[in-house]
Amino acid sequence: QVQLVQSGAEVKKPGSSVKVSCKASGGTFSSYAINWVRQAPGQGLEWMGGIIPIFDTVDYAQKFQGRLTITADKSTITAYMELNSLRSEDTALYYCASSGLGYQLFPLGYWGQGTLVTVSS
Amino acid sequence: DIQMTQSPSSLSASVGDRVTITCQASQDIDNYLSWYQQKPGKAPQLLIYDPSDLQTRVPSRFSGSGSGTDFTFTISSLQPEDVATYYCQQYHSLPYTFGQGTRLEIK
Repeated sequence: QVQLVQSGAEVKKPGSSVKVSCKASGGTFSSYAINWVRQAPGQGLEWMGGIIPIFDTVDYAQKFQGRLTITADKSTITAYMELNSLRSEDTALYYCASSGLGYQLFPLGYWGQGTLVTVSS
Repeated sequence: DIQMTQSPSSLSASVGDRVTITCQASQDIDNYLSWYQQKPGKAPQLLIYDPSDLQTRVPSRFSGSGSGTDFTFTISSLQPEDVATYYCQQYHSLPYTFGQGTRLEIK
């Protein structure tokens, strides 16, 4: 049973960066892929990007190209989402989510608890 | 980007009712579609994928169908605990877009 535990809430200034972690348990990290999905207050779900560690591949939504970096540390079984040049519109709940499968990003059968990122001056 | 259009945006139904939500893709996504349930203050939960396979431990009153561009999600007999927002998602082409959500309430 895959479990995903995310880092705590963050408050950031506009123009700064945030790095959110997602620690996996219940399997080897190479066993599954990790996605990042965000949800602005009162809004719907938005897929940001995903990483498949066994293939060393990362996909990003074009919207975040150049601002978003997704990485994975196989030794600590932790994935990271770093978003740069933060603006107020980036205020959202950020989720990591996994298929539980090593070779594909979807479907998202396992979710972290979410990390609230607030961007405010 | 592939647009996923859910209908309706919200609905109210009675306990025991059959509830149907549709999701239309702006282009052919084959069978690469899943449905998620999100209760207030909680992370989404996978219900259906590919697009008619029921996720493990999900009640059988939930079902999905469709292929290509038109998909349907059904609750055969609405229960009070089904109050939530439901999202479809395509995973055929980048970016892997979600529908805007359907808020389901009990009448």
